[in-house]
Amino acid sequence: AQSVAQPEDQVNVAEGNPLTVKCTYSVSGNPYLFWYVQYPNRGLQFLLKYITGDNLVKGSYGFEAEFNKSQTSFHLKKPSALVSDSALYFCAVRDLGGSARQLTFGSGTQLTVLP
Amino acid sequence: DAGVTQSPTHLIKTRGQQVTLRCSPKSGHDTVSWYQQALGQGPQFIFQYYEEEERQRGNFPDRFSGHQFPNYSSELNVNALLLGDSALYLCASSLQGALGNIQYFGAGTRLSVL
Repeated sequence: AQSVAQPEDQVNVAEGNPLTVKCTYSVSGNPYLFWYVQYPNRGLQFLLKYITGDNLVKGSYGFEAEFNKSQTSFHLKKPSALVSDSALYFCAVRDLGGSARQLTFGSGTQLTVLP
Repeated sequence: DAGVTQSPTHLIKTRGQQVTLRCSPKSGHDTVSWYQQALGQGPQFIFQYYEEEERQRGNFPDRFSGHQFPNYSSELNVNALLLGDSALYLCASSLQGALGNIQYFGAGTRLSVL
């Protein structure tokens, strides 16, 4: 079975400060890991993914994520937050070692960037 | 290049009715997955279609069924609607076998069951 945990329902950060949105995962094999962002009344937009290789993955809009196998984490980061980054963020995993073809999502973290 | 499109945008039904939601995948994609996103939750996998067959199914009852057409578009049907079926229904398309297999999502159909 594959699962994802996003331990923080809400993250608040001041504009210009660095931001981190946390994600931990559980899989039986090797993971494909993804971050998506959802704006109000919209679908999910792909931000970045980890398959293999470098543990630091760079994505859209200045976001990056750090894969840590020993801690089974895939935290989303940005060096300098913008008010426009305020949205709902989802971490997702697919277990390459299992038969699952679908993504399993976390419960989401609402990011609010304060001006 | 059109992304994933879903119709309708919003839908209001009453308990016991049936509903059909539609999805056109991103150009070049051959696989469609459907997810249900209840208010305040992450998307939950319903099923995935590839080559016009249901390839995998999540923990949803048989009231939820689907279809994929030769042009790769897809429908989600829900029979005997319950109040708990009220949610945002998301369609995602991808390319089977592609490394990383990114799923691209449509804007969703908001279903309200009264």
